[in-house]
Amino acid sequence: SQTIHQWPATLVQPVGSPLSLECTVEGTSNPNLYWYRQAAGRGLQLLFYSVGIGQISSEVPQNLSASRPQDRQFILSSKKLLLSDSGFYLCAWNEGDSYEQYFGPGTRLTVT
Amino acid sequence: RKEVEQDPGPFNVPEGATVAFNCTYSNSASQSFFWYRQDCRKEPKLLMSVYSSGNEDGRFTAQLNRASQYISLLIRDSKLSDSATYLCVVRHNTDKLIFGTGTRLQVFP
Repeated sequence: SQTIHQWPATLVQPVGSPLSLECTVEGTSNPNLYWYRQAAGRGLQLLFYSVGIGQISSEVPQNLSASRPQDRQFILSSKKLLLSDSGFYLCAWNEGDSYEQYFGPGTRLTVT
Repeated sequence: RKEVEQDPGPFNVPEGATVAFNCTYSNSASQSFFWYRQDCRKEPKLLMSVYSSGNEDGRFTAQLNRASQYISLLIRDSKLSDSATYLCVVRHNTDKLIFGTGTRLQVFP
């Protein structure tokens, strides 16, 4: 069966520091991969999605970037964090022939 | 206007009660519909897809009304473990999903 992992689970970082969040999926090949952010009391906002290695689409212009160096690995990065980057970051996947998305356990980021 | 709108609640219901949530969407070209459940400080989990003819999964029934552009979720015989936030989700003509901000349900003994 398929599983999705994210780490770290929680992170506290100072403003201006870099960020790297990792997501990996097991048990499937060539999944579509997504990064979402959920701010406190708000809905999920799609940040990036990828349909294959090296293929990244950005939904919201901001100081974040994403990369997909391997088929089942998706990385979210920032060179300099802002206070507004605080939130719950969720990675999700789906197979190409299904629109149902499945989420990882998330990373709770607090920028201080 | 938000693309997907939900009553934030909370809906406070006793165990055993029947509760229903509605969700409206603005894009008439929307093609797929889902309900997700999210527990406090956890990731959303797929509860059920919503099919045009309506569908049922145990105590949960989902309905779609394309003419009025709304989706409903009915929960029968509520359990304490049903307490969560229920997210209405819509897909247009791409792989991208649009999430509502959720309806909070609290079931009390």
